[in-house]
Amino acid sequence: QSLLTQPPSVSGAPGQRVTISCTGSSSNIGAGYDVHWYQQLPGTAPKLLIYGNSNRPSGVPDRFSGSKSGTSASLAITGLQAEDEADYYCQSYDSSLSGSVFGGGTKLTVL
Amino acid sequence: EVQLVESGGGLVQPGGSLRLSCAVSGFTFSSYWMHWVRQAPGKGLVWVSRINSDGSSTSYADSVKGRFTISRDNAKNTLYLQMNSLRAEDTAVYYCARVPDYGDYVLLDYWGQGILVTVSS
Repeated sequence: QSLLTQPPSVSGAPGQRVTISCTGSSSNIGAGYDVHWYQQLPGTAPKLLIYGNSNRPSGVPDRFSGSKSGTSASLAITGLQAEDEADYYCQSYDSSLSGSVFGGGTKLTVL
Repeated sequence: EVQLVESGGGLVQPGGSLRLSCAVSGFTFSSYWMHWVRQAPGKGLVWVSRINSDGSSTSYADSVKGRFTISRDNAKNTLYLQMNSLRAEDTAVYYCARVPDYGDYVLLDYWGQGILVTVSS
């Protein structure tokens, strides 16, 4: 059981907006540590999608956005495309572990 | 172009040892912290270990502490993970990943393609 909780799956039709939540605690997100998001396409390595809660690396479409509030964070994807079908992971630092922690991952299905 | 290439994986018996390597190119390896992250078949990402830029500081997940050792050779641009006393639950794809020079030190901007380690008799 990860210290960061994500829904196992979300789905949406092409063009729609979906959000993926990441719920932590006072030892990670709630302590003020940044949240990062990764996208893992089937059979490939994870790719950095959002860093520092809401920043996009160069090359990531602005359809992807991140936010953080209290002990939770969210990833929003607008204008869903078939190519967005992937697993998404949130990540932060946890002071009780003195290390990195990933969420359990959310599988996005584009209907 | 930044590249990270893992090697050294394979099939090993329970209780055995294996050393993973991660050869990097396209950036000044000695300036960057590095991590190992693993993913069991069909499961999520799990952080394993990290090392600072000169190798003087390391950190491990509780599940591997005392069994795994992360190290680096900056002259060879290579990161290592020595894995001892392997268990079936260590079976996973292992990724090496780089910490960028922005953000906090758990952020990972470049990942290798991953290498499979299977622990089975």
